[in-house]
Amino acid sequence: QKEVEQNSGPLSVPEGAIASLNCTYSDRGSQSFFWYRQYSGKSPELIMSIYSNGDQEDGRFTAQLNKASQYVSLLIRDSQPSDSATYLCAVNIREYGNKLVFGAGTILRVKS
Amino acid sequence: GAGVSQTPSNKVTEKGKYVELRCDPISGHTALYWYRQSLGQGPEFLIYFQGTGAADDSGLPNDRFFAVRPEGSVSTLKIQRTERGDSAVYLCASSLRLAVNEQFFGPGTRLTVL
Repeated sequence: QKEVEQNSGPLSVPEGAIASLNCTYSDRGSQSFFWYRQYSGKSPELIMSIYSNGDQEDGRFTAQLNKASQYVSLLIRDSQPSDSATYLCAVNIREYGNKLVFGAGTILRVKS
Repeated sequence: GAGVSQTPSNKVTEKGKYVELRCDPISGHTALYWYRQSLGQGPEFLIYFQGTGAADDSGLPNDRFFAVRPEGSVSTLKIQRTERGDSAVYLCASSLRLAVNEQFFGPGTRLTVL
């Protein structure tokens, strides 16, 4: 089992809809969770961080964490074509120190 | 302020050659990380530094890979006797300090080994 799993997609949503991206992780020692956006040919850009159970909101983005289910999600409200990118889930596992373990990413396509 | 910078942006080399990739972290960031990303995959950890010392080099694939950060700022990733399998995008990230683990990535160096 991979440490961090994401559906590769592509996930296609119409403009203005809510995009829901999901990520599961295997290690219960995980303590910090991050979502990165990566446009084609570019490097990952940090868009959300979440450290405790519940929701963390920033503008159109909401990160949700459920440690009991080992599940973290990213909701993008009012999706725009400019949101089309690969979204990477990253987890910091306490026993591994400060490195981040990434999922393979989910491709999101927002159609206008 | 300026973000993480990496040079060169692209490097093409021949199998067996030596390469150096440079990373300049965000000013004031004490922690520096190297990752490698292959097509269709997420970044894969290589090594990270707190200050001048390598705090964790467990991700370096073999002894052909080495990284330094002599003055606690700029870091150089060195690859000896390059192989075609080393071809990837090498990403550098920095964070303010280890306790705050939000990592900000540079633009990457695309390494191609022919």
